[in-house]
Amino acid sequence: EVQLVESGGGLVQPGGSLRLSCEASGFTFSTYWMSWVRQAPGKGLEWVANIKPDGSSKYHADSVKGRFIISRDNAKNSLYLEMNSLRAEDTAVYYCARNPPFHHADYWGQGTLVIVSS
Amino acid sequence: QSALTQPPSASGSPGQSVTISCTGTSSDVGGYNYVSWYQQYPGKAPKLMIYEVNKRPSGVPDRFSGSKSGNTASLTVSGLQAEDEADYYCSSYAASVPFVFGTGTKVTVL
Repeated sequence: EVQLVESGGGLVQPGGSLRLSCEASGFTFSTYWMSWVRQAPGKGLEWVANIKPDGSSKYHADSVKGRFIISRDNAKNSLYLEMNSLRAEDTAVYYCARNPPFHHADYWGQGTLVIVSS
Repeated sequence: QSALTQPPSASGSPGQSVTISCTGTSSDVGGYNYVSWYQQYPGKAPKLMIYEVNKRPSGVPDRFSGSKSGNTASLTVSGLQAEDEADYYCSSYAASVPFVFGTGTKVTVL
């Protein structure tokens, strides 16, 4: 059974940093693109970043470019999102998702809540 | 890249059909057959319902179907059931970003 379990969310002050993790199981993690998608309270879905199976290519939304970095450790079946210079507008539930060919997300984690507030 | 446009709400009685539109541009919906649809219950993660315009993942009832014409994609739920009451989001590949999501539609079963 495919499982994605996020962790690392919490309350952080504006300008602070946080590292989210997503532990994958039930599939060959190293062969899939993976993404982070977020959802602000009461709002819609927003793609944040995705990463190639071998980690050699990464793409980030303009809204987080230069502040967030997606990475992965295939040996640990884990996906990460390093978040720096956090702003109030980054407050959201962050989901990791698996991306099979082509350009959709077939499995999602349960999400982890990030609150940026003083 | 702007969000795809969906109606805020849609509704129907049990057994009826409801269709949700998802309007983009020739740079996203109209340019690629990579439209997907997601169902989301309050407080839960999204669930994939349709991918590549009209393909259903295993386990998704055939009451759910997708289509596309020009820059607009559609999700139709036939034989509406109480458990179909949820938020629905479309998504498309775009030249500039791998995923652009729709604004979301709340489906109410009357």
